[in-house]
Amino acid sequence: EEQLVESGGGLVRPGGSLTLSCAGSGFTFSNAWMNWVRQAPGKGLEWVGRIKSYVDGGTTDYAAPVKGRFTISRDDSKNTVYLQMSSLKIEDTGVYFCSTGGYYLDYWGQGTLVTVSS
Amino acid sequence: EIVLTQSPDFQSVIPKEKVTITCRASQSIGSSLHWYQQRPDQSPKLLIKDASQPFSGVPSRFSGSGSGTDFTLTINSLEAEDAATYYCHQSSYLPRTFGQGTKVEIK
Repeated sequence: EEQLVESGGGLVRPGGSLTLSCAGSGFTFSNAWMNWVRQAPGKGLEWVGRIKSYVDGGTTDYAAPVKGRFTISRDDSKNTVYLQMSSLKIEDTGVYFCSTGGYYLDYWGQGTLVTVSS
Repeated sequence: EIVLTQSPDFQSVIPKEKVTITCRASQSIGSSLHWYQQRPDQSPKLLIKDASQPFSGVPSRFSGSGSGTDFTLTINSLEAEDAATYYCHQSSYLPRTFGQGTKVEIK
């Protein structure tokens, strides 16, 4: 059974940095394209970015609000994808989900809460 | 960026009623439109992929249709467990985008 578990969320000051992790199991992680999607409190879903599998180039794509501040990377030896967040803003507050899929997002983790506040 | 507009934003429905949610794209996206269900305090779950294909394990009362710019999610004979917010999502262009969500409440 596919499982994704996010970790690393917490409280951070504006301008600060935080790194989220997402560990996958129950599927061939190295073949999976991995996404990050976030949800501000009481709001809808917002795609943050993705990383392709290394066999498909390993490249990354980002949404405009996070481009240049967030970096997605992966370590297939650990079945883990990361989201490095820097220059955090109050509007980055929300639950961050990782999900698998290059087109539709078929499996999702439970999410980890990031709160950016002074 | 592709804008997806869902309607309605909210729907209150009695059990066994039929629910129809629409999603309109700001330009043609072919069949690259997917539907998700998010129950309160849970992560989203894929319901329909590629406009009309049910994902594994999804009850048969959920169906999708459409192509180009206009898409529909239909829930036949609503059950209490279907109380949730439903989102459409396009994968035709980067950045990927979601609709604003449609909240379905059980009367």
